[in-house]
Parts: sequence; C-alpha cells; structure tokens
Amino acid sequence: AQTVTQSQPEMSVQEAETVTLSCTYDTSESDYYLFWYKQPPSRQMILVIRQEAYKQQNATENRFSVNFQKAAKSFSLKISDSQLGDAAMYFCGYFGNEKLTFGTGTRLTIIP
Amino acid sequence: GAVVSQHPSWVICKSGTSVKIECRSLDFQATTMFWYRQFPKQSLMLMATSNEGSKATYEQGVEKDKFLINHASLTLSTLTVTSAHPEDSSFYICSARTAGGEEDTEAFFGQGTRLTVV
Repeated sequence: AQTVTQSQPEMSVQEAETVTLSCTYDTSESDYYLFWYKQPPSRQMILVIRQEAYKQQNATENRFSVNFQKAAKSFSLKISDSQLGDAAMYFCGYFGNEKLTFGTGTRLTIIP
Repeated sequence: GAVVSQHPSWVICKSGTSVKIECRSLDFQATTMFWYRQFPKQSLMLMATSNEGSKATYEQGVEKDKFLINHASLTLSTLTVTSAHPEDSSFYICSARTAGGEEDTEAFFGQGTRLTVV
C-alpha cells in the first residue's frame, strides 16, 4: 500500500526567506505522480506543484520548486522569497494505482 | 483551471436522518472522483474512489452501507451519509480527476462540506 509521510507537523520562516518542507513516500510502482497542495484557512485545496515520476527534471512554479529523489522516494518542496500569503497547511500527495492519498500535512507560519 | 463545485458548503442535520452531498465538475468530465474526510487540524483521509458508471471502491474501515457513493455521470458524484450520528460530524471534501489530456495528472477539489449532526 502506498503511504506518504510528512515528518514536520509545523514549520515557520521569516518573510522573504526560503523554507523547505519534506515528504517521503513508499510505493512499489514505477509510474505515479506527486503533488503539493496548499490548504489555507478557507480549507479549499489549491495545487501548488506536481511532478511526474518518469520525469527526472525537478518541477518549478515561480517561487515553488521541488527536489525529487526517486530512488530515495523523497519529494521536498522549497518555497523561496516566502510571503505572508504562503501561510497554510501543506499536504504532500501521491497518485498511483488510481488512488490519491496525502501525508499528514505541515503547517507553515510566515513571520513578518 | 477546472472547477469543482461541492454542495452544500455546510449542513446541520438531526441524528438518524440522511444527508446527501453533491460534487460536480463544471467544465470538464471527471472519470474518477475521490471522497475525503478531514477532522480538525488533520489530514485528508481517503474514504472512497468512484468511477463513472461503476461501483465505488471503499478504503478499509469505511462503511459502504453508511457512506453511499454514486457516480452516475461524468460530471456528478454524490455522497450520502445514511442514518447520521454525531460521530459522523466532519468536513467532507470531494476531488475530481479529468478524463485525459494535459490536465490528467491533476485532481481538482471542491470547497468542502461541513457536516454537523445534532
């Protein structure tokens, strides 16, 4: 069974600084997708970034980038130039075998 | 981006009654929809996966007779909480996956439904 682990329940970062959220997963599949979703207080899930497992190049979306280490089954999210609006719960997601499952989440606080 | 509409956004019902939550993909066809339950300050727990025209696949520990899922069309899936009890009070979220193309690798989420059973 696929599992997703986020070992950091809470993280904080100074505004304009860089922060990295960690995620590891366990799977026996070779083809899958990985996601980072953001959930602000409104509780609406918002896609931050996605990565196809067959692509070696790390995905980037403006200030957000990932470090995808397939062999290590690691998928960390780096947020550069942190902004107050980045404050939210961040969930790492795994899609494979027709299921989309999430880790336990990391609450990110931005310090002004 | 694609839009998923979930209705109602909140509902209060009496213990023993049933509640239906709708999840609609407004501008795309969703071959697969996921239903999640989220407790306060916790993660999204996958309850079931539904594919259009077929029976839903429930996760271990989820009572299929209590949480009825119907995916009758490519744009609509419903979750019915039958004989609701206070312990069913929670935040329920649906997600829809597109049928193919560039956006096939993304799941779009509804706004969620806060269910309170009194």
